[in-house]
Amino acid sequence: GIQVEQSPPDLILQEGANSTLRCNFSDSVNNLQWFHQNPWGQLINLFYIPSGTKQNGRLSATTVATERYSLLYISSSQTTDSGVYFCAVASPFSFGNEKLTFGTGTRLTIIP
Amino acid sequence: DTAVSQTPKYLVTQMGNDKSIKCEQNLGHDTMYWYKQDSKKFLKIMFSYNNKELIINETVPNRFSPKSPDKAHLNLHINSLELGDSAVYFCASSQEQGAGAFFGQGTRLTVV
Repeated sequence: GIQVEQSPPDLILQEGANSTLRCNFSDSVNNLQWFHQNPWGQLINLFYIPSGTKQNGRLSATTVATERYSLLYISSSQTTDSGVYFCAVASPFSFGNEKLTFGTGTRLTIIP
Repeated sequence: DTAVSQTPKYLVTQMGNDKSIKCEQNLGHDTMYWYKQDSKKFLKIMFSYNNKELIINETVPNRFSPKSPDKAHLNLHINSLELGDSAVYFCASSQEQGAGAFFGQGTRLTVV
């Protein structure tokens, strides 16, 4: 099956700093999503981005499908950005369009 | 309005018991899923239903039985609970061609 690798596994930053999280995947995808799991365990949709670039406030994401990677940018970090960020992909060959394979996540800690 | 809602949020039970987790979505989606997040935060799909029909069963023990009374509901029944079943279980839904999968808030199951 498709493999998803995320880097770095852990990231500790001062409030106000910028960060870039990376997701590499091993095969063609027809779906790629970024999620934020907050300290209360909720999985929050950030982006649905199988290709191209999207922005939402301080967050933006870019997926280069031909090179099989996606990047999540967080600017001017706030303590509420802390948590685990997951990348998840679905293969075009998987039955049921959104059978997602998750990466192992990047744990982001923002220090005040 | 909660798009994907699960109940209960927390469940503590003894080994050997049978328990159910309920999930409902009000997004009008055709496909619903159950995912399991283990103690290391790794998320993996368990089941997928499309219009009340099972389409994915990812080598889950047959003690786990999903039931979909209609396309807005997907419940998970677990028989003879074991210590290793302790995890967070997430319900999700999606459209076949759409904006990705949306997750419920999770049910933390603890088997003692």
